[in-house]
Amino acid sequence: DIQMTQSPSSVSASVGDRVTITCRASQDISSWLAWYQQKPGKAPNLLIFAASHLESGVPSRFSGSGSGTDFTLTITGLQPEDFATYFCQQANSFPHTFGQGTRLEMK
Amino acid sequence: QVQLVESGGGVVQPGGSLRLSCAASGFTFSYYGMHWVRQAPGKGLEWVAVISSDGSEEWYGDSVKGRFIISRENSQSTVDLQMNRLTTEDTAVYYCAKGRTSITSCTDSWGQGTLVTVSS
Repeated sequence: DIQMTQSPSSVSASVGDRVTITCRASQDISSWLAWYQQKPGKAPNLLIFAASHLESGVPSRFSGSGSGTDFTLTITGLQPEDFATYFCQQANSFPHTFGQGTRLEMK
Repeated sequence: QVQLVESGGGVVQPGGSLRLSCAASGFTFSYYGMHWVRQAPGKGLEWVAVISSDGSEEWYGDSVKGRFIISRENSQSTVDLQMNRLTTEDTAVYYCAKGRTSITSCTDSWGQGTLVTVSS
């Protein structure tokens, strides 16, 4: 199985900041990577698919990059509603493993 | 818009069985792969299973392989998860999710989840 490792596990930031979360795959997954946002008590919400493609309706302050084994999610100009937990997921091969999550907290 | 509604969660004893169901609407159900993903209390997301649009292909996570069975009924726009030989490690919120495109794609819509508690 492909292992997905996110870093950091948590990060503190302020409104207006730029935040970057990284995700590393244990083997080459090309661009088969998605990013999700989850708020407490809610289902996850797809932000980015195919590593860098913004899902419809997602604000443009979210962006994704990377290919192969190293990927990043960047939020430029943090908004109050962005404080949540973020997960990466590989869709290169089954099982579609998730990273352990990154909790974005308000400083 | 896409709507996914899970049902069937509850409390079950270790070793028991439970069947979850997900009712889909707002899209052409028979075109998309469907997934189950779970989240133990206070933990991260764990991908459980996927079934192809026509039901001919299924894949499972290692921790549920041989115990869980995913199935679908396209005429009813439902996808089920039969869970057998349950253990306390299976306690989680179970989400039904729609594949974005093919069976190999990520998921773009999720239900609200149903809680399964395995406890004696």
